[in-house]
Amino acid sequence: EAQVTQNPRYLITVTGKKLTVTCSQNMNHEYMSWYRQDPGLGLRQIYYSMNVEVTDKGDVPEGYKVSRKEKRNFPLILESPSPNQTSLYFCASSLGWVTDTQYFGPGTRLTVL
Amino acid sequence: AQSVTQLDSQVPVFEEAPVELRCNYSSSVSVYLFWYVQYPNQGLQLLLKYLSGSTLVKGINGFEAEFNKSQTSFHLRKPSVHISDTAEYFCAANNYNQGGKLIFGQGTELSVKP
Repeated sequence: EAQVTQNPRYLITVTGKKLTVTCSQNMNHEYMSWYRQDPGLGLRQIYYSMNVEVTDKGDVPEGYKVSRKEKRNFPLILESPSPNQTSLYFCASSLGWVTDTQYFGPGTRLTVL
Repeated sequence: AQSVTQLDSQVPVFEEAPVELRCNYSSSVSVYLFWYVQYPNQGLQLLLKYLSGSTLVKGINGFEAEFNKSQTSFHLRKPSVHISDTAEYFCAANNYNQGGKLIFGQGTELSVKP
């Protein structure tokens, strides 16, 4: 089944404790992206990647890191999480980067205490 | 910079009534427009998209949207809603000048009541 998977689905952590949210897609998509969803703000892009080893900042990159060492994986890293990073996070992938449909993972709900 | 505005944050309707969810965009170049739906506790999935051609776009689950260039709008409509349409709906836009960034509106919560 074609899908985007994220792990973990739920995570409660404390300020400053490094964490990684994994994202994997099995559709051989070139383009991958991370978003955060906050009430009243819609989805805002954190980082995106157009191919292996090619990543760029979205609208809200502060406090986040990403890497794209393999085509299928695009982990999101929070080196020192803070409470303002409490949010719902989505990974997405698409074949191309402008007109193609983005396929979303199920989301990761992160709480930083 | 491109922006997307969804004019209603919440839309309550009764089952079998028609519904329109409004979306306006700003863009100085050719724009590609999308509607995504998010059911409770799930990720987003595509309802429909406008790339070019006919301005009336039909999507899944009986939804359709009309691209109106003069009014810079892309409103989503359904003639008769079901309880199962209860979800959050997002309008989004992209263009080749944005470097890969899909810009989302704030979302509209559609609540269908029996």
